Amino acid sequence: AQKVTQAQTEISVVEKEDVTLDCVYETRDTTYYLFWYKQPPSGELVFLIRRNSFDEQNEISGRYSWNFQKSTSSFNFTITASQVVDSAVYFCALSESEGGSEKLVFGKGTKLTVNP
Amino acid sequence: EAQVTQNPRYLITVTGKKLTVTCSQNMNHEYMSWYRQDPGLGLRQIYYSMNVEVTDKGDVPEGYKVSRKEKRNFPLILESPSPNQTSLYFCASSPYNRFSTDTQYFGPGTRLTVL
Repeated sequence: AQKVTQAQTEISVVEKEDVTLDCVYETRDTTYYLFWYKQPPSGELVFLIRRNSFDEQNEISGRYSWNFQKSTSSFNFTITASQVVDSAVYFCALSESEGGSEKLVFGKGTKLTVNP
Repeated sequence: EAQVTQNPRYLITVTGKKLTVTCSQNMNHEYMSWYRQDPGLGLRQIYYSMNVEVTDKGDVPEGYKVSRKEKRNFPLILESPSPNQTSLYFCASSPYNRFSTDTQYFGPGTRLTVL
């Protein structure tokens, strides 16, 4: 069964610090997808990224970057030069695709607080 | 404007009174999904749909029904709501393409309280 672990429940940093949010997943499938979502204090959910298991290239989008390592079953998310607006709960998720299923399983989330 | 709409945004109801939460998207997306969010339990998928007339169970489907009669709509039906279905519900849509990196869009959420 698929499983996602976000071991860091809460992280607090000072503005401009870099911060990495960890995500470790378990799956028996060879085809799967990994996601990150952001939920700011206002409550809406924001999609950040989706990667498939065949693409291990790291991704950078502005101050955000993602490190996908199949060898360690990890899909970590780094925010460079954090800002107060990055304060949010971040969720990692996994979707397996073999057998026609597209079920999505989430980690419990990491609450990031960026202090001025 | 690309969007996912959910209605109602807030609902207080009583045990056993059937209700429907609507979800509609204007992006012609194939994939739609419902999630619930509870303190301490995080986000859990209830049902998803990969296209019209194609639906499947997520992690917590008990007590819920869905239908996908047309591409844009994916209503969540609670036939006999119970207090343990008190939660924050999100609908989402995205293109269904196994290698897509396209954005997934979420509705604003529906806060449901069952007394």
